[in-house]
Amino acid sequence: NAGVTQTPKFQVLKTGQSMTLQCAQDMNHEYMSWYRQDPGMGLRLIHYSVGAGITDQGEVPNGYNVSRSTTEDFPLRLLSAAPSQTSVYFCASSYSMSAYEQYFGPGTRLTVT
Amino acid sequence: LAKTTQPISMDSYEGQEVNITCSHNNIATNDYITWYQQFPSQGPRFIIQGYKTKVTNEVASLFIPADRKSSTLSLPRVSLSDTAVYYCLVIGNTGGFKTIFGAGTRLFVKA
Repeated sequence: NAGVTQTPKFQVLKTGQSMTLQCAQDMNHEYMSWYRQDPGMGLRLIHYSVGAGITDQGEVPNGYNVSRSTTEDFPLRLLSAAPSQTSVYFCASSYSMSAYEQYFGPGTRLTVT
Repeated sequence: LAKTTQPISMDSYEGQEVNITCSHNNIATNDYITWYQQFPSQGPRFIIQGYKTKVTNEVASLFIPADRKSSTLSLPRVSLSDTAVYYCLVIGNTGGFKTIFGAGTRLFVKA
């Protein structure tokens, strides 16, 4: 199993550009989520999904969209990048809603200039 | 969602036992307590989970008193490679699948 994979590893955007961060898992997990981590801070939940076709907002959803058309993939879209979205983005998955163990991807480091 | 409070940072020396305490005063009946470890430039990694009393695995022990309003992660005989940020989380299905990571405790192990 590759676990949770994320692409790209690094990305630089200009203000106003859009892009999609990719996340995939091969563990047949129902639950997937996106977090952002700013320097010296903990992780903040952006969006999450409890299964294909079902998504919901986390703590900091503004400026981001998600969709979940398959169990494996959970892309995160930045609609119009802003410098405040400069951060490291982590995708995670787990097999159930109350599962205590989430599996995290390696992260995408995004810089918006 | 139960809010957690843990020390911002801790220092230790190699070979010592490290105890990191987390407060979660408004934990709900169905909530579990979970700890994660994060190294620089990596995603968090699950360490241990428990509901009450004591849980031990090959990496750590987790002590939870009867009132469950706090928990203590115990790392036996730490090494330099245990230098990381440790997060205490309360996870349950109250309010849906949402996991809140606080700022964590930055543990620095010295030689």
